[in-house]
Amino acid sequence: DAKTTQPNSMESNEEEPVHLPCNHSTISGTDYIHWYRQLPSQGPEYVIHGLTSNVNNRMASLAIAEDRKSSTLILHRATLRDAAVYYCILSEIDTGNQFYFGTGTSLTVIP
Amino acid sequence: GAGVSQSPSNKVTEKGKDVELRCDPISGHTALYWYRQSLGQGLEFLIYFQGNSAPDKSGLPSDRFSAERTGGSVSTLTIQRTQQEDSAVYLCASSRHRGGTDTQYFGPGTRLTVL
Repeated sequence: DAKTTQPNSMESNEEEPVHLPCNHSTISGTDYIHWYRQLPSQGPEYVIHGLTSNVNNRMASLAIAEDRKSSTLILHRATLRDAAVYYCILSEIDTGNQFYFGTGTSLTVIP
Repeated sequence: GAGVSQSPSNKVTEKGKDVELRCDPISGHTALYWYRQSLGQGLEFLIYFQGNSAPDKSGLPSDRFSAERTGGSVSTLTIQRTQQEDSAVYLCASSRHRGGTDTQYFGPGTRLTVL
């Protein structure tokens, strides 16, 4: 699986939008882009995933660059409960069950 | 419904002892994964089970680590002759099917401390 690069940490003010970037310059055409987050002392939880088109769900939006070499997770209004480590992961469509987690981005939300 | 459960939640053991960690996946999920997370690090893939197929053991760090999955449900991760570097949180996840689009549901983890 291709590797991803994320900033180690980011800060956001409460109730403001947050854009969490991820670079995946070696992505292949069959790689899906996943985002998971891990709250303190918990296992990771699914946030969103996509292939080529931008995706929206109740938690977040995923913006995928046209060349697919980068993506951005967008939290529209950060809350204190969004403070977590956010992981950007690539997996192949058919065989990609091995999620390779990097160190992720630690998001701090400032009240 | 019930999520992925793991037991024990915490395990303290002495160097050289064997430990067993248990994972109960979500009912009906055919895929099961084990990961390890050392302090301040991301998750490290260990092993993957899919239905009745042979498991993917490519992530196991040494032959002291082994895992089995009985009846396509409960899984046990065994670490023999534990070392201090084995101290970590061991996370289990399950997903409904195989495939790169399937969501993995994680358990709360077992924190292993080797003294």
